[in-house]
Amino acid sequence: EIVLTQSPGTLSLSPGERATLSCRASQSVSSSYLAWYQQKPGQAPRLLIYGASSRATGIPDRFSGSGSGTDFTLTISRLEPEDFAVYYCQQYGSSRGFTFGPGTKVDIK
Amino acid sequence: EVQLVESGGGLVKPGGSLRLSCAASGFTFSSYSMNWVRQAPGKGLEWVSSISSSSSYIYYADSVKGRFTISRDNAKNSLYLQMNSLRAEDTAVYYCARSQLYCSGGSCYGYWGQGTLVTVSS
Repeated sequence: EIVLTQSPGTLSLSPGERATLSCRASQSVSSSYLAWYQQKPGQAPRLLIYGASSRATGIPDRFSGSGSGTDFTLTISRLEPEDFAVYYCQQYGSSRGFTFGPGTKVDIK
Repeated sequence: EVQLVESGGGLVKPGGSLRLSCAASGFTFSSYSMNWVRQAPGKGLEWVSSISSSSSYIYYADSVKGRFTISRDNAKNSLYLQMNSLRAEDTAVYYCARSQLYCSGGSCYGYWGQGTLVTVSS
């Protein structure tokens, strides 16, 4: 089973700053099968990035994804007030199903 | 507009059973893989189960294998999760989520319901 580790656990930043979130897999993941989600309190998650680097429909271009193999990154170029939330990475492991990372909380400094 | 509406949650005793439903609308349900994801109070997301569009492929998390059964009725545009032998650690909000066609292997979930709370307690 592939285990995803996200770091840092919490990221304290100010609006306008750049956020860099990491997702590391215990073994190699196909880039096609790596996604990122945003979740705000009391809401369902929202798909941000799929295929490691493709933005989902309606997602602003300040969100970008990169990486391959075991190391993936979500970058928010300039934080807007609505971006303070928890972010999860997710991978698909064929017959083993799906796995979510533990999440990174981005909060206001 | 795509809509996913879960129902069937509630309070159940350990060892009990519950059946969750997800009513889908606004898209051709029979063309999409569907999924259940849960979130324990104050915790992160945990994938539970997935089912392909024609029910040919079904996957479960190890934590629920043998206890939960996912199914769908394409004629009724509905997804189900039969949960048996429930444990306290199954307490969570259960989300129904639709896989996106543009994601390989249905590996991303573009639409989510608002969730239904399942509480397992004596």
